[in-house]
Amino acid sequence: KAGVTQTPRYLIKTRGQQVTLSCSPISGHRSVSWYQQTPGQGLQFLFEYFSETQRNKGNFPGRFSGRQFSNSRSEMNVSTLELGDSALYLCASSSKSFGLAKSEETQYFGPGTRLLVL
Amino acid sequence: KNQVEQSPQSLIILEGKNCTLQCNYTVSPFSNLRWYKQDTGRGPVSLTIMTFSENTKSNGRYTATLDADTKQSSLHITASQLSDSASYICVVSNFGNEKLTFGTGTRLTIIP
Repeated sequence: KAGVTQTPRYLIKTRGQQVTLSCSPISGHRSVSWYQQTPGQGLQFLFEYFSETQRNKGNFPGRFSGRQFSNSRSEMNVSTLELGDSALYLCASSSKSFGLAKSEETQYFGPGTRLLVL
Repeated sequence: KNQVEQSPQSLIILEGKNCTLQCNYTVSPFSNLRWYKQDTGRGPVSLTIMTFSENTKSNGRYTATLDADTKQSSLHITASQLSDSASYICVVSNFGNEKLTFGTGTRLTIIP
């Protein structure tokens, strides 16, 4: 079974630009989450999607947005890039299904997209 | 405020030795606690997931413990290997909304 894939792996942008990152979850997984990881802040939760609907959202400004398609693939977009947006952006998928009591399904992370904003 | 604190921030031990990493949390209500291993330049990989009723869970040489009363968890690594060099991240999930709170991790270095 193929793992979580993220594209692109590396990206360099300048301040003010926008960027779109893509994530393909493991086949059969419908839950996709996005995280930002920086050396100083560690991993921070951005948002979670399930069945094309945003289910949870972290404390990030509105410049960060995402969406999920019917095939569970997800994209996140960052507009008006700032220097502080330089980070590793990780996507994770799981077989978690909202509405069921069992909620501890393992998350599988992709390799991440390393974004550098100049 | 939900918080997860890990200690130590970094640790260096000799190959073959054991070590224990700590995680204290204030997340409430509690759903589950996870330990992840993250190699440099890679995404995290799940080691263990424990719910409220589980006190211990093992995955090979990794053994996680959970004390839900004191809100503490530990990850014990036995007979360390060079490949154990990585960051270990503790993550706690809220019951209900399943929001995840991440610790900043412990950077473990194994030296030969």
